[in-house]
Amino acid sequence: GAVVSQHPSWVICKSGTSVKIECRSLDFQATTMFWYRQFPKQSLMLMATSNEGSKATYEQGVEKDKFLINHASLTLSTLTVTSAHPEDSSFYICSASPQAEQYFGPGTRLTVT
Amino acid sequence: GENVEQHPSTLSVQEGDSAVIKCTYSDSASNYFPWYKQELGKRPQLIIDIRSNVGEKKDQRIAVTLNKTAKHFSLHITETQPEDSAVYFCAAGEGVNRDDKIIFGKGTRLHILP
Repeated sequence: GAVVSQHPSWVICKSGTSVKIECRSLDFQATTMFWYRQFPKQSLMLMATSNEGSKATYEQGVEKDKFLINHASLTLSTLTVTSAHPEDSSFYICSASPQAEQYFGPGTRLTVT
Repeated sequence: GENVEQHPSTLSVQEGDSAVIKCTYSDSASNYFPWYKQELGKRPQLIIDIRSNVGEKKDQRIAVTLNKTAKHFSLHITETQPEDSAVYFCAAGEGVNRDDKIIFGKGTRLHILP
């Protein structure tokens, strides 16, 4: 299957600071990537669809000014959590598709103190 | 938009027995139904998928069935083994283009009892 990487794998930050998470497709080009958030023992909730060279499409209820997405190249999308608060602590996972099947990155565990 | 319901939320089966997880979806435009397995702290892994032009697909001990009329699809795991213990998610989407999103069910935590 296709390989998707994420960096960092975990991060701890202080409340009010911003954190950037990177998602890379390693062996294919991805014009579209997806960002999910997963709380403990819960499902994957789609946050937004990241489109290369254009604005991301956010799901209902997701604050676009808080979760900034940039997809500047065919292999890299970034998610920046701005002014993070403890309630933003979660597991953030990206995915990308070489065709129709989605392959997930290893996830980033964000803890906001 | 699409809504995917998954049952049960927790399932315990004796090792060697079969496990069945069921999902329903709401959007008739959905034609692609993947199943993911997620172990604790790890990424979801695609284990099998099915498209609406077939009713059943099998891969060794895993099979998936689809009833498009009723908007139901199910995952069947036979001869369960300890390593099958994980959380399983069903999902649904149009699955035509790589920018088609998929919507996940809430997951089923499968416990394989020794």
